[in-house]
Amino acid sequence: ELKVEQNPLFLSMQEGKNYTIYCNYSTTSDRLYWYRQDPGKSLESLFVLLSNGAVKQEGRLMASLDTKARLSTLHITAAVHDLSATYFCAVVLSSGSRLTFGEGTQLTVNP
Amino acid sequence: DVKVTQSSRYLVKRTGEKVFLECVQDMDHENMFWYRQDPGLGLRLIYFSYDVKMKEKGDIPEGYSVSREKKERFSLILESASTNQTSMYLCASSLTFRDTQYFGPGTRLTVL
Repeated sequence: ELKVEQNPLFLSMQEGKNYTIYCNYSTTSDRLYWYRQDPGKSLESLFVLLSNGAVKQEGRLMASLDTKARLSTLHITAAVHDLSATYFCAVVLSSGSRLTFGEGTQLTVNP
Repeated sequence: DVKVTQSSRYLVKRTGEKVFLECVQDMDHENMFWYRQDPGLGLRLIYFSYDVKMKEKGDIPEGYSVSREKKERFSLILESASTNQTSMYLCASSLTFRDTQYFGPGTRLTVL
């Protein structure tokens, strides 16, 4: 059974600081997604990482994938309040047909 | 842009009622999914469909059924709503299983 774990689950940080969210998964996968969810809203796709060593960047967010370590990171640079949201990683097995989501990391950026 | 719409944003029903939640996507996607999201439990897959009239159970199918009569439309049915089905329901679609899933706005269902 594929397990996906994120940490931390809750993150409160100040504007201007850097931080990293970690996503570990238990079984071989070559595809990992990051989603963002604002309070009361649906999930918005941020990144899809397709291979070992893949790195994607959008604004202050950068995601990377290490398939050997079964680890993805979402790095936040110089956080701003608008980044406050819940971030989910999700993994699909190489032979699979469904996404398995992590528990989500609730990020709060304080002025 | 992919658009996934859901029939209601908020819904209040009584215990024992039959409830229909509808989802429509406009991108000719093969696959459609129903999830429920609960605090502390994350997103859990209820059912998914990979073609018209084809469906597969997800992780928590009990108490639910689905219908996909047309490619663009995927319905979730609560045969006899119960209070433990109060939740946020999210529909998603994807071109193939290995493509990004695009989510609808969600339906917050309250069963009294």
